[in-house]
Amino acid sequence: DPKIIQKPKYLVAVTGSEKILICEQYLGHNAMYWYRQSAKKPLEFMFSYSYQKLMDNQTASSRFQPQSSKKNHLDLQITALKPDDSATYFCASSQEGQGAETLYFGSGTRLTVL
Amino acid sequence: TQTVSQSDAHVTVFEGDSVELRCNYSYGGSIYLSWYIQHHGRGLQFLLKYYSGNPVVQGVNGFEAEFSKSDSSFHLRKASVHWSDSAVYFCAVSGNMGYKLTFGTGTSLLVDP
Repeated sequence: DPKIIQKPKYLVAVTGSEKILICEQYLGHNAMYWYRQSAKKPLEFMFSYSYQKLMDNQTASSRFQPQSSKKNHLDLQITALKPDDSATYFCASSQEGQGAETLYFGSGTRLTVL
Repeated sequence: TQTVSQSDAHVTVFEGDSVELRCNYSYGGSIYLSWYIQHHGRGLQFLLKYYSGNPVVQGVNGFEAEFSKSDSSFHLRKASVHWSDSAVYFCAVSGNMGYKLTFGTGTSLLVDP
């Protein structure tokens, strides 16, 4: 059974629209993250949340807004979508405070912006 | 600034062969090094990590990696690969904020049966 659930698996959107990517983790972790994997680029760190609070933001654009309604949820709202936003977005989690943390990743949401 | 270089985009071997996937990094401070595997259509899965101590670390499914400070490397090895090892392998480095991984571009390993 997947311990980190991302929905939807595939998403197609038109330029200018808004979408929400869903992430739930059932590992009991206190920290959650978003990473992005664009075509032909390595995975890039986007956000870090700990106990539902934003800890780190490496995303320059305010169009990307994480939302944490519950401890084990970290959704990603993307507004005014652009074709360059097309990527696979991975949610991850870890148990903070273990030093060299091991991240557990979901299977990703592949977003295509037309 | 930390960078990770995986010089081989694709590696093809036969089942039962040994394999080494290369990873070189640059970072100015204390680092954590790790390897992750990504099977097609799946999320990344942790293989192993190094921070200090014995430079050879053992991971899951017979994988091991060796840290070399002089070479700035953290190569991944397996003595005898199985077809199910076919996947993309990512090397990653992180500093004091262990969750903020900088990934390499990945090496796609294909194991021919």
